[in-house]
Amino acid sequence: ILNVEQSPQSLHVQEGDSTNFTCSFPSSNFYALHWYRWETAKSPEALFVMTLNGDEKKKGRISATLNTKEGYSYLYIKGSQPEDSATYLCAFARNTGTASKLTFGTGTRLQVTL
Amino acid sequence: NAGVTQTPKFQVLKTGQSMTLQCAQDMNHNSMYWYRQDPGMGLRLIYYSASEGTTDKGEVPNGYNVSRLNKREFSLRLESAAPSQTSVYFCATRETVAQETQYFGPGTRLLVL
Repeated sequence: ILNVEQSPQSLHVQEGDSTNFTCSFPSSNFYALHWYRWETAKSPEALFVMTLNGDEKKKGRISATLNTKEGYSYLYIKGSQPEDSATYLCAFARNTGTASKLTFGTGTRLQVTL
Repeated sequence: NAGVTQTPKFQVLKTGQSMTLQCAQDMNHNSMYWYRQDPGMGLRLIYYSASEGTTDKGEVPNGYNVSRLNKREFSLRLESAAPSQTSVYFCATRETVAQETQYFGPGTRLLVL
């Protein structure tokens, strides 16, 4: 069983605050690390897929970094807004040779208030 | 372009009843997946299909069967539902090995009494 751990479990910030979350994953047999954004009553939507050690990806105010040697990824949100409120999932893909299977963490639930 | 669709959106079953959850995609993706989401747990893979005609077990396959009817459709069947199968079920697709992103359907909420 692969362990993908996310911290913190939940986070409550005020509008304008910057914040970050951590995802840790097995460093062996790495293929890809995914970040998804999951709003309540909707389905998860992809934010980033990262495959190379040292990768940095950015989409608007959200960015992510990847360290495959030590097995962690950070997701940053700059200047949080209420619409950023969601659960942020990371998922680890191990190289299986065929269809890539994802192991998901339990997510970090972010609540941004005015 | 509907993306990934799932039916039904919500279902209540009695213990022992059977049902099939349907998933269809119009994205021409090769790989399809079934996950379940339970409180306090991450999405867990039930079954997946790398391509039309192939299916494989995921992390939690017991109590389920799947059919990859064609490239578009991947169904999940509960032959004899149990309360432990109360969950939200998500179908997802993925295009190719190079395109890793998975695209999720809206989910099916299942309650087994």
